[in-house]
Amino acid sequence: QSALTQPASVSGSPGQSITISCTGTSSDIGGYNYVSWYQQHPDKVPKLMIYDVSNRPSGVSNRFSGSKSGNTASLTISGLQAEDEADYYCTSYSSSTTVRVFGGGTKLTVL
Amino acid sequence: EVQLVESGGGLLQPGGSLRLSCAASGFTFSSNWMHWVRQAPGKGLVWVSRINPDGSVTTYADSVQGRFTISRDNAKNTLYLQMNSLRAEDTALYYCVRTKVGGYYFDYWGQGSLVTVSS
Repeated sequence: QSALTQPASVSGSPGQSITISCTGTSSDIGGYNYVSWYQQHPDKVPKLMIYDVSNRPSGVSNRFSGSKSGNTASLTISGLQAEDEADYYCTSYSSSTTVRVFGGGTKLTVL
Repeated sequence: EVQLVESGGGLLQPGGSLRLSCAASGFTFSSNWMHWVRQAPGKGLVWVSRINPDGSVTTYADSVQGRFTISRDNAKNTLYLQMNSLRAEDTALYYCVRTKVGGYYFDYWGQGSLVTVSS
C-alpha cells in the first residue's frame, strides 16, 4: 500500500479537463509545499510535470497545473489531448523515516 | 546535457548480492542529492534510498533498511547501490534519480537497470 493515495484511474474526452487527487497526511503533503507530479508513458522514464505544488518546469505545457489544500494535492490537466494518456504519480517530501513517498499512480485514459 | 546511466542489473537467486552503478555526466555531480527509485513490473514508483552531496548522509526505505547501501564516488561521478540479501520482492527496474540543487523534486532520471530475483 502506497503512502499517498491516488485514484487508480481517471478518464476524459479530448478537450475536457480532469483532476487527479493525491491524499497524504500532515507529515507529508500537509506539512510541506514539496509535492511534485510525474508523467510516465508505457515503458518510458518518468517526466517531471509539476514541482513544489504548483510550479511547471520549462517546456511543460501550461495545460498542466497543480494545487494543494490541506493534506490533498491535485493535478489538473485542461484541454485533454491524446498524448496526455499516461500514468501519473505524485510524490512528497515526508518528515517520517521514509523521506520521500509516492502515490500508487493514476492511469489517465483519453477517450 | 545531464545524463544518468545505470548498469549492473541482472538475474540472481534469492539471498544473492548485486551492486548497481549510475554514471553521471553533464552536471556537477558533487552538488546534488541523489536517489534510487524502483518500479516493479507493472507497478508504481517506490522511493528506495538517498545520499547527500558529500556522501555523509544516507536514508533508506524501511523495506530495504539493513540490506541495501547507497554510496557515491564524486571523483568518478558515480552513484552506487549495494544490494544484499535480495528477495523476490526486490525485483524491479531501478532508476538513478537526481534532485535539483536546493529543491525537493526529481528533475532527471536514468533509463533504469533491471534486477530480477528468482529461483
